[in-house]
Amino acid sequence: QKEVEQDPGPLSVPEGAIVSLNCTYSNSAFQYFMWYRQYSRKGPELLMYTYSSGNKEDGRFTAQVDKSSKYISLFIRDSQPSDSATYLCAMSNTGNQFYFGTGTSLTVIP
Amino acid sequence: DAGVTQSPTHLIKTRGQHVTLRCSPISGHKSVSWYQQVLGQGPQFIFQYYEKEERGRGNFPDRFSARQFPNYSSELNVNALLLGDSALYLCASSQGQDRNTIYFGEGSWLTVV
Repeated sequence: QKEVEQDPGPLSVPEGAIVSLNCTYSNSAFQYFMWYRQYSRKGPELLMYTYSSGNKEDGRFTAQVDKSSKYISLFIRDSQPSDSATYLCAMSNTGNQFYFGTGTSLTVIP
Repeated sequence: DAGVTQSPTHLIKTRGQHVTLRCSPISGHKSVSWYQQVLGQGPQFIFQYYEKEERGRGNFPDRFSARQFPNYSSELNVNALLLGDSALYLCASSQGQDRNTIYFGEGSWLTVV
C-alpha cells in the first residue's frame, strides 16, 4: 500500500467553478501536510501548509486536514485558467522527509 | 531574494556514465533535500542534508550520493547511470532540519540514453 494515494485525474472544470482535490494516507503519524502546484516541466510551488488537523484559508485556496479519516483536501474557489496545473499533496511525520501523492492534473476551461 | 537554484537545467548522459547535479538553497536556509520525480509520478525522497551531515536517506541504491558544503550548497551524484534514472531531480531547501515547509527549485532534467 502506498503511503499517499491521490487520484491522478485528469480533472476538467469550467472557469469560476469550485475545485476539490483530495488525498488519503495510511500513516497515522503524519502531522505535516502541504499542497504544491506544479506547472508543466517546472518545479513544485508551495501553495498551502497545515500542521495537524483543521482548516487553513489563503485567498481562493482552503486546505482541510481530517486526521481521524486520514484524508486531506484542497479547495479552489473561483477557479481561473491560470490554475491549470498538476496539484501535489505532500505529508510527513518528522518534518524532514516528505511523501508525495502522484498529483492530480487540473484543467480550467475559459 | 533568489529562490532555490539548480544546475544544469537539462542534460543527456549515456548509460554507465556519472552525473553531478548542483543546488544552492534559499539564503538563510541550512537544510537541503533531494527528490527524484519520474514523469507522471510525485517526487520521491532521496536525501536530506543539514549542517553538512546526512540526516535522512530514502530507498535509493548506493549509486546515489550527495554532500553539502559549508555555504549550504549541495551536490547530488549518481554513478553507473541506468535508463531508469531518467527523471526530474529536484532540490528543496528549508530553514532547519525539521522545519516543515520545503521550497523547491526548478529541477534538473536528466535523460539517460
